[in-house]
Amino acid sequence: AAGVIQSPRHLIKEKRETATLKCYPIPRHDTVYWYQQGPGQDPQFLISFYEKMQSDKGSIPDRFSAQQFSDYHSELNMSSLELGDSALYFCASSLGPGLPGNTIYFGEGSWLTVV
Amino acid sequence: AQTVTQSQPEMSVQEAETVTLSCTYDTSESDYYLFWYKQPPSRQMILVIRQEAYKQQNATENRFSVNFQKAAKSFSLKISDSQLGDAAMYFCAYRVQGAQKLVFGQGTRLTINP
Repeated sequence: AAGVIQSPRHLIKEKRETATLKCYPIPRHDTVYWYQQGPGQDPQFLISFYEKMQSDKGSIPDRFSAQQFSDYHSELNMSSLELGDSALYFCASSLGPGLPGNTIYFGEGSWLTVV
Repeated sequence: AQTVTQSQPEMSVQEAETVTLSCTYDTSESDYYLFWYKQPPSRQMILVIRQEAYKQQNATENRFSVNFQKAAKSFSLKISDSQLGDAAMYFCAYRVQGAQKLVFGQGTRLTINP
């Protein structure tokens, strides 16, 4: 079965640079989520989109922005990168929150290292 | 605010034995979902099992089962006949019906001893 696809899988950037992560949800899934997992930590919710509109916002820094496109893929843009942004970034997808089958499925994650 | 607590940072079990991972949560909602996710060394987040709060019957998936105690706000995971491939970090997670985000516990690192 098709899964959530994230790219790139690994990314190395220098401080103050910009990075963009891409996410392609499971086909027919209309909701996309972004999570950040630092070393030894649990995943922290950043932001989510439902039908191309931002639907919930968590602890996302102002330096980060995201959007969902007409084909439901999403991009997370991170600017003015800091060493503390080094983490594993997960994208996840699900059917809309009002539907019974709304289990959230995760991609394999994108490793961002800021040096 | 909803919180999820996993009080066991680490657990270990002998291969083929049974182990139970604990999870408690705090919420004022009545309609929600609970999940256990497994994160092996590859760091991928894999759904193990889910439980709808309105269902009294405990969910079961092969060797994995839960003990859901709604009044006590407890949601433990039992792994029977433990296998080496079960070694991973296990996260308990909570989601309110209609809400977007999952709230995760701190995780329990499970080691399987051969």
